[in-house]
Amino acid sequence: TQLLEQSPQFLSIQEGENLTVYCNSSSVFSSLQWYRQEPGEGPVLLVTVVTGGEVKKLKRLTFQFGDARKDSSLHITAAQPGDTGLYLCAGARRGSTLGRLYFGRGTQLTVWP
Amino acid sequence: NAGVTQTPKFQVLKTGQSMTLQCAQDMNHEYMSWYRQDPGMGLRLIHYSVGAGITDQGEVPNGYNVSRSTTEDFPLRLLSAAPSQTSVYFCASSFTGTPLDNEQFFGPGTRLTVL
Repeated sequence: TQLLEQSPQFLSIQEGENLTVYCNSSSVFSSLQWYRQEPGEGPVLLVTVVTGGEVKKLKRLTFQFGDARKDSSLHITAAQPGDTGLYLCAGARRGSTLGRLYFGRGTQLTVWP
Repeated sequence: NAGVTQTPKFQVLKTGQSMTLQCAQDMNHEYMSWYRQDPGMGLRLIHYSVGAGITDQGEVPNGYNVSRSTTEDFPLRLLSAAPSQTSVYFCASSFTGTPLDNEQFFGPGTRLTVL
């Protein structure tokens, strides 16, 4: 059983469209991170959210941490082909070993020109 | 800083062979971990370590051993390779302070095929 459920698993859209990726759990997390991975490389951190209800923006990307700290979303406005990649959410669970993260299965995003 | 380095980048093994995947980091991170990534499965934690001499099992530890004799190095040993261990393996490291400190830095990965 996956602790963090990501949806959708695949997303294929045209350049200029908006999209939202969801990361849900029944567990409470002390923080939630989003990573992006490109083919042949390791994941790279995009953002960390730590406060319930927190919203962070990174250019056209908006990240939100749920009020109850059990879920998060990533919204991309006016997607571009350069946004193509695998997006992974990862949570630090309260009471777990410091540093340990639980990863979702990822959302494969393809943005067509 | 080189960050997190992994060797080899590619490896082909026969069933039953053993090998060691190397991982090193030069950022003085306390936490190091090994993941395997399979299509549609995300990253699954194999083993992790919070410091030299301390290791623990993750979600999928069977068939793998680790040791942490120094802060910098965290090798992963496959004891007797099986086709089910065909995967891409990532090593990662991070600090263990506040949540804003625990960004995980990943190596470039090792693509392993077991025939």
